[in-house]
Formats: sequence, C-alpha cells, structure tokens
Amino acid sequence: GESVGLHLPTLSVQEGDNSIINCAYSNSASDYFIWYKQESGKGPQFIIDIRSNMDKRQGQRVTVLLNKTVKHLSLQIAATQPGDSAVYFCAEIEDGGSQGNLIFGKGTKLSVKP
Amino acid sequence: NAGVMQNPRHLVRRRGQEARLRCSPMKGHSHVYWYRQLPEEGLKFMVYLQKENIIDESGMPKERFSAEFPKEGPSILRIQQVVRGDSAAYFCASSPMGRLYGYTFGSGTRLTVV
Repeated sequence: GESVGLHLPTLSVQEGDNSIINCAYSNSASDYFIWYKQESGKGPQFIIDIRSNMDKRQGQRVTVLLNKTVKHLSLQIAATQPGDSAVYFCAEIEDGGSQGNLIFGKGTKLSVKP
Repeated sequence: NAGVMQNPRHLVRRRGQEARLRCSPMKGHSHVYWYRQLPEEGLKFMVYLQKENIIDESGMPKERFSAEFPKEGPSILRIQQVVRGDSAAYFCASSPMGRLYGYTFGSGTRLTVV
C-alpha cells in the first residue's frame, strides 16, 4: 500500500487566511520530504523540502513541519491567494535519496475562495 | 533554459496500438525519471535512467512497457499494445546528478486509450 497519505482530500479556504495541509507517512526510514504543487494540466512544482534531522523549515509564505514521532508532515501557507489553488502532494524518499525515486501521496486539493 | 520538455502533450491511441512518449531533460541533466499519474492519484515511480543505462525499473510493469535514454536524443517511454488501463498522465523528471538537487518535472503527456 501507500506509504504516504493525506488526511483530507479537499480543503477550501478564504483568500487571506492561512492554509494547513497535512500528510502522514508510514516509512520510518524516510529521511527526506518534499511538498509539490500541481496545477491543472501541469507537472508537479517544487515548493519546499525538509530533511529528517529538522522539524521545521520556512520559505516564502510557506512552512513545512515534520513530526517524526507520529510520522506527520504539514504544509502551512500564509495569506493564501487564489493562485495557490492547486493539488498539493507530499513526497518522501529514504536512504538519502541515493536513487532519486519519490513516493507520492494522493494529494489534497486546495480551493481558495475570493 | 527550456526546462524538461515532454511531447506530445496529449496522445490518443486505440487499444492494441503502440504509444511513444518523449522526454528531453533540462540542459546539463543526465538523469531521467518517469512517473505515472492516474486521475485523482499521486504520481507513481516507474523507471530511472541515466544515459544509455537503466538504473532502477522497479516501478515498470513487467510486460508491454519499456524505456530508454540513448546517448543522443530524448528519453523514450514505450507502451506496446495499449489497453484502457494505460490511460494516465505520464511525467518525466530530470536531475543533474541523480540526487534530488535540481529535480524538475515536465508538464506531462496525457495518454488516452480508446
């Protein structure tokens, strides 16, 4: 079965609010995690990554939190904008990414209401 | 830099025909990965290639699917005798060093088998 999954398949937020997208993983050997954004008809676009030796990483308007104790990953988007509407995937990889093949979850569709 | 180029963007094949999907990696990238995405699903790893070598094909179906990355030209994912279950979006990613640094996805080829 899937080693990466998501708690909620859809998320609807008001423009300007903060969004939190969650992800659970089951492979404790995974040591690198990435969040991707996929807009309709496009390929996944890298948002932010985090290694297992960290529990938080911040980017521009986005923050990723990693809780290894409960094998949980979250993506926080501040001041969500209509352009943030997309499907968000978490992906994991183990063994330091020596081979580079990612394991993706099913995705959460984020809809931003103006 | 044009990014990872995939063509065609859309491909329609009748059952039993062959489908050829092409991927030109980013300039300077010698590592290519193919993924398949079913509707409403995450991406599933298929195969990892370097120039003239298949490094990991653990995600490839045992029959009808093959991939190559010749010394010159794009990487090709070939599906023989397509069936309706092959209908999906096929994404290619490339990286410069076989690690996750610079891992970039193309826009995909949407295969429809009728």
